[in-house]
Amino acid sequence: DTEVTQTPKHLVMGMTNKKSLKCEQHMGHRAMYWYKQKAKKPPELMFVYSYEKLSINESVPSRFSPECPNSSLLNLHLHALQPEDSALYLCASSRGTPNYGYTFGSGTRLTVV
Amino acid sequence: EDQVTQSPEALRLQEGESSSLNCSYTVSGLRGLFWYRQDPGKGPEFLFTLYSAGEEKEKERLKATLTKKESFLHITAPKPEDSATYLCAVSRDSNYQLIWGAGTKLIIKP
Repeated sequence: DTEVTQTPKHLVMGMTNKKSLKCEQHMGHRAMYWYKQKAKKPPELMFVYSYEKLSINESVPSRFSPECPNSSLLNLHLHALQPEDSALYLCASSRGTPNYGYTFGSGTRLTVV
Repeated sequence: EDQVTQSPEALRLQEGESSSLNCSYTVSGLRGLFWYRQDPGKGPEFLFTLYSAGEEKEKERLKATLTKKESFLHITAPKPEDSATYLCAVSRDSNYQLIWGAGTKLIIKP
């Protein structure tokens, strides 16, 4: 299995809702990432988990809360989002450091209304 | 300041017309340079990693090369299905972060 699976593919949520994005990989990768991508821009790093521990938090607002329940799963909990948070949210994984390249999921298209 | 710059922003080619995309970088402690392909609304697809100047890698119609200051992604006899945004990124030292270029949007007309 050489895939990173993200669910849901699309999500529309109101500013008072709580939702979660899910990511799963079974490649034995020990680093997992959340990225945010706006239209016509490169991905922006949000969080890095290394060996199931949060190692990087790129000053992301607290309305985004990551969770890594085990080495194969990564969640992103969303609460009280703003319309400007609408974007493509990408999960990725890598063997260790990204020197071997990331494997990205197909993303969740999030729209905040 | 560490930086990755891709050019051109957009490139329109006729099917079969070969060309190159450029990724120039200024990074201290370069560990690797990566090329990704991204289709609209999808996650980036890994293409190549280059680690040292002089290295070359090929995949189908694509060939990536690396010098001490830049990388080129050469596309030979492209087809319409090669249309996508091509992203370049670099890693430095032993860091989990990648520095990304803004991408080149490639359009191949039949």
